[in-house]
Amino acid sequence: DAGVIQSPRHEVTEMGQEVTLRCKPISGHDYLFWYRQTMMRGLELLIYFNNNVPIDDSGMPEDRFSAKMPNASFSTLKIQPSEPRDSAVYFCATTGLNTEAFFGQGTRLTVV
Amino acid sequence: DQQVKQNSPSLSVQEGRISILNCDYTNSMFDYFLWYKKYPAEGPTFLISISSIKDKNEDGRFTVFLNKSAKHLSLHIVPSQPGDSAVYFCAASAGSGGGADGLTFGKGTHLIIQP
Repeated sequence: DAGVIQSPRHEVTEMGQEVTLRCKPISGHDYLFWYRQTMMRGLELLIYFNNNVPIDDSGMPEDRFSAKMPNASFSTLKIQPSEPRDSAVYFCATTGLNTEAFFGQGTRLTVV
Repeated sequence: DQQVKQNSPSLSVQEGRISILNCDYTNSMFDYFLWYKKYPAEGPTFLISISSIKDKNEDGRFTVFLNKSAKHLSLHIVPSQPGDSAVYFCAASAGSGGGADGLTFGKGTHLIIQP
């Protein structure tokens, strides 16, 4: 298995634009998590899914953020409209029931 | 309100010596603790974990100690090697092993191994 695959690796966008981050989980992992890493707040859990169903989105900072998991092999995190303070590294991670979380390489988002 | 705290942003250790990274937590519901290692431009990778029913877990050069009464855990690396230079994150979860309900992370400690 190639592990958790995130795309793009880097994204630079202008304030106000829509941004979509993508994640392909490890096959067979039932849980998928979106994390955001910033200097100020470290690694924060934004939302997680179990069997494609959102379970806890309490970490999503604002309504501008939304996440979907239309099937077991794909998830998106969307920011619309984007703002400079959204600049961060966004990680996707997946896990089975009793396995440790495996992380993707992250998407570095810069909003100018 | 940080539930997992790593109070040392950085730590410098000489090659061959022991590295000790510390982590404190406040949530009594946490019952599973993990350490992740992160290199620049990569995602965190799992290193070692410990369940709250244990006080020590060892894997090669890496040992994690858990003191539940003090709500404190530590990661020992001995001997330290240049490839150990990375950011180390302490993480905790409540209610299930492995973090299936999401992990709460500390802010990380940057370990620098000096030759």
